[in-house]
Amino acid sequence: TQLLEQSPQFLSIQEGENLTVYCNSSSVFSSLQWYRQEPGEGPVLLVTVVTGGEVKKLKRLTFQFGDARKDSSLHITAAQTGDTGLYLCPNDYKLSFGAGTTVTVRA
Amino acid sequence: NAGVTQTPKFQVLKTGQSMTLQCAQDMNHEYMSWYRQDPGMGLRLIHYSVGAGITDQGEVPNGYNVSRSTTEDFPLRLLSAAPSQTSVYFCASSPLTGPPQLTKNIQYFGAGTRLSVL
Repeated sequence: TQLLEQSPQFLSIQEGENLTVYCNSSSVFSSLQWYRQEPGEGPVLLVTVVTGGEVKKLKRLTFQFGDARKDSSLHITAAQTGDTGLYLCPNDYKLSFGAGTTVTVRA
Repeated sequence: NAGVTQTPKFQVLKTGQSMTLQCAQDMNHEYMSWYRQDPGMGLRLIHYSVGAGITDQGEVPNGYNVSRSTTEDFPLRLLSAAPSQTSVYFCASSPLTGPPQLTKNIQYFGAGTRLSVL
C-alpha cells in the first residue's frame, strides 16, 4: 500500500509571499498529479508530472517531481487570494487522496 | 461542456432512509469513482468502476452500493442512512485510453453533493 504524506497540513500567508507544499510517498509514483479544490467545489487538476526530476511551470506555480519519483513539491510565487484552496495529490493505488494542504492567502 | 454532473447538490435525510446520489458524465470516460470528503480526512474512495458492468470497492465501501449499467451513469445508493454518512460526496471520471500512468490518474470531478443525515 502506498502511503502518502502531504505537508504542511495548513498554511496561512499574506498576499505576495511565497509558499511551498509537499507530497511524499512511501513508494514510486507512476505519475503524480496536483489538484486544487476551492471551497464548495470539486478538485480541479493543475498538473501531471511523469519523469523523475521534471519541473513544470504554470504561471506563478512551479511543480517539481523528485528524481526518485517518490516526492513532489508545489511552489507558489507571490501568492494571491485566488490561490486559496486545498491542494491535493492522489496516490497510485485506487487513486485515494490524503487530507491535503489547506492554503489560505490573506489580503 | 457539462463534464461530470451530480444531483442533488444538497440533501437532508433521516436516519434509516435510503436515497440515490446521481452521477453522469458526457465525456465517454470508462473510469468512474465516488469519494466522500470529511473535515481533516481528505477524499476517501468509496467505490469505483472501470466500465459498464464492472464495479469494485474502495477504502470505505460499507453502507454504500453502486452499479454501472451504462458508461455515462454511476449512481451511489445509501441503503439505510446513518449520521456517520453525513459528508460531501464527489463523483469523478477518467479516461482509460492512452498511457495508463497518465490517463487513469487524471480525474474530472463533479461539484459535489452535500448530505446531512439527522
